[in-house]
Amino acid sequence: QVRLQESGPGLVKPSETLSLTCAVSGYAISSGYYWGWIRQPPGKGLEWIGSIFHSGATFYNPSLKSRVTISLDTSQNQFSLRVTSVTAADAAVYYCARRYGDHHDFWGQGTLVTVSS
Amino acid sequence: QSALTQPPSASGSPGQSVTISCTGTNSDVGTYDYVSWYQQHPGKAPKLMIYEVNKRPSGVPDRFSGSKSGNTASLTVSGLQAEDEADYYCSSYAGYTNLGFGGGTKLTVL
Repeated sequence: QVRLQESGPGLVKPSETLSLTCAVSGYAISSGYYWGWIRQPPGKGLEWIGSIFHSGATFYNPSLKSRVTISLDTSQNQFSLRVTSVTAADAAVYYCARRYGDHHDFWGQGTLVTVSS
Repeated sequence: QSALTQPPSASGSPGQSVTISCTGTNSDVGTYDYVSWYQQHPGKAPKLMIYEVNKRPSGVPDRFSGSKSGNTASLTVSGLQAEDEADYYCSSYAGYTNLGFGGGTKLTVL
């Protein structure tokens, strides 16, 4: 069974960089699939942030592309998200997930990130 | 603003059927047979219920079905049960690996 677990600071100051990591167990991320991030502001809907192919190729939501970086660490079997210059609009529950084509089949439990000074 | 449009709410009584719509454009739903649906209970991660318009992952009851016509996809839940009460989100491929989600529909079992 594939399992994903997000980790990282729950509080980020405005204008600073948000950094999260997703540890994967039950599957070697270098073996295949896309791996990605989705976020959900409190009380709102889901927003696709971006995906990284097992080869390292990245694909981002055009609305966030200038501030987002997703990377792989195959030695630790994990992948990461960085969002620069955060504002209150970036406050959300951040989910990591495995993407197979058009859909996400395995999800982490999510981690809440608050943006406040 | 969500890429896909869903009604904010839907409801039905136990045993009844309810259909939730998801309207996109010729750039996503209308062009690609890559629509998926997710169920989300409060405080939980989304769960994949339907992918590629009408395919069910292993373990999802056959009470859940999907379809598409033109720029609109639909999720039908038949034989409503209390545990079906949740938020439902549609998602569509939009080319160049881009994905869009709908704003979500809160399904209430009366």
